[in-house]
Amino acid sequence: DQQVKQNSPSLSVQEGRISILNCDYTNSMFDYFLWYKKYPAEGPTFLISISSIKDKNEDGRFTVFLNKSAKHLSLHIVPSQPGDSAVYFCAASADSGGSNYKLTFGKGTLLTVNP
Amino acid sequence: DAGVTQSPTHLIKTRGQQVTLRCSPKSGHDTVSWYQQALGQGPQFIFQYYEEEERQRGNFPDRFSGHQFPNYSSELNVNALLLGDSALYLCASSLLGGSSYNEQFFGPGTRLTVL
Repeated sequence: DQQVKQNSPSLSVQEGRISILNCDYTNSMFDYFLWYKKYPAEGPTFLISISSIKDKNEDGRFTVFLNKSAKHLSLHIVPSQPGDSAVYFCAASADSGGSNYKLTFGKGTLLTVNP
Repeated sequence: DAGVTQSPTHLIKTRGQQVTLRCSPKSGHDTVSWYQQALGQGPQFIFQYYEEEERQRGNFPDRFSGHQFPNYSSELNVNALLLGDSALYLCASSLLGGSSYNEQFFGPGTRLTVL
């Protein structure tokens, strides 16, 4: 039973355009959401996060939107750059009374930004 | 400042054997989590260690065990290896109660192949 779903295995966009990566979750206990980026032969790198008390968080070219009623979040990258080409993982965490508890990941979306 | 390091990089074992993977956390971190990433899947939480004790465990059999040392480094042991244990094993470190909620820093992983 996958609690975090990334239904698009891959996405291809042109340099300079917007990339939108989507993520759905089923567990209503999740209250913190993160996006990680992973290059081949490297571990996932934290990109941006959002708490369930917010509906938007922005960091430079990256913006994450959270729609709690739809249990959906998305990552927007504007403008997209070739260096953004990587696998993007959506992850979620439930409040268990403390920080740093386990992360539940989606299967990832391979983003390719073409020059 | 060294990030999370893991050893070895690659490992090949045969069914039934035992394996030990090692992880050194990022400087200043006191919590280590282990994840298994099978091909085409997202990382799956195995367990987390803090103060040399297992703090939380995912849905993995007892063949998977771990240890944390006083210097916060950690080992993951897998006994009676199965073909299905072939995966990338990721170690993540964090600071319990740190200001960055749930920000876990990942190592590059150990690629385990079971023949």
